[in-house]
Amino acid sequence: EDKVVQSPLSLVVHEGDTVTLNCSYEVTNFRSLLWYKQEKKAPTFLFMLTSSGIEKKSGRLSSILDKKELFSILNITATQTGDSAVYLCAVEGSRTSYDKVIFGPGTSLSVIP
Amino acid sequence: NAGVTQTPKFQVLKTGQSMTLQCAQDMNHNSMYWYRQDPGMGLRLIYYSASEGTTDKGEVPNGYNVSRLNKREFSLRLESAAPSQTSVYFCASRRPGQGLFSSYNEQFFGPGTRLTVL
Repeated sequence: EDKVVQSPLSLVVHEGDTVTLNCSYEVTNFRSLLWYKQEKKAPTFLFMLTSSGIEKKSGRLSSILDKKELFSILNITATQTGDSAVYLCAVEGSRTSYDKVIFGPGTSLSVIP
Repeated sequence: NAGVTQTPKFQVLKTGQSMTLQCAQDMNHNSMYWYRQDPGMGLRLIYYSASEGTTDKGEVPNGYNVSRLNKREFSLRLESAAPSQTSVYFCASRRPGQGLFSSYNEQFFGPGTRLTVL
């Protein structure tokens, strides 16, 4: 059965801290892993990862994928209160269809001043 | 562009009532999805449609039906609503990659429908 697991489920840090969010998965016919940020409304896209070992960066956020060990990490450096959100990891691919995209439970990040 | 639109934004039903949630996208995307989101459980896939005329079950399809009416529209129907279906429902769409080794694409989400079943 396809599965996405995220840890920790919640995290509270102070502004300026660096955080690492984890995502592990089991999926047949893996195609890509995606990270989303969700504030009060719909998720917004952060990164898509398809190849192992290639870091994707956007400002203070970065992410990397390990297809051999079936996990990804999302790093946020110098956190700000605006980074407070739920971070969702999703994986694309399944036994029957490449188009199936399933999500993990999310990591709720709270950044306090 | 409107992107992905959903109607209604809010709905309250009584147990046993039926309703259809509507979703439309104007980005010419092939794939469309319905998810539900409950506290602490992320997004759970209900049904998806890889292209017009095809639909597949996701992780939690029981109690729901879908219709891919055309390339733009993908509706979700609750035939007999139950309190366990109280949730926020998100529709999403995605265009496919161009070929097996091409880059793949993220999903675009609608604003969500907050459904309460009493």
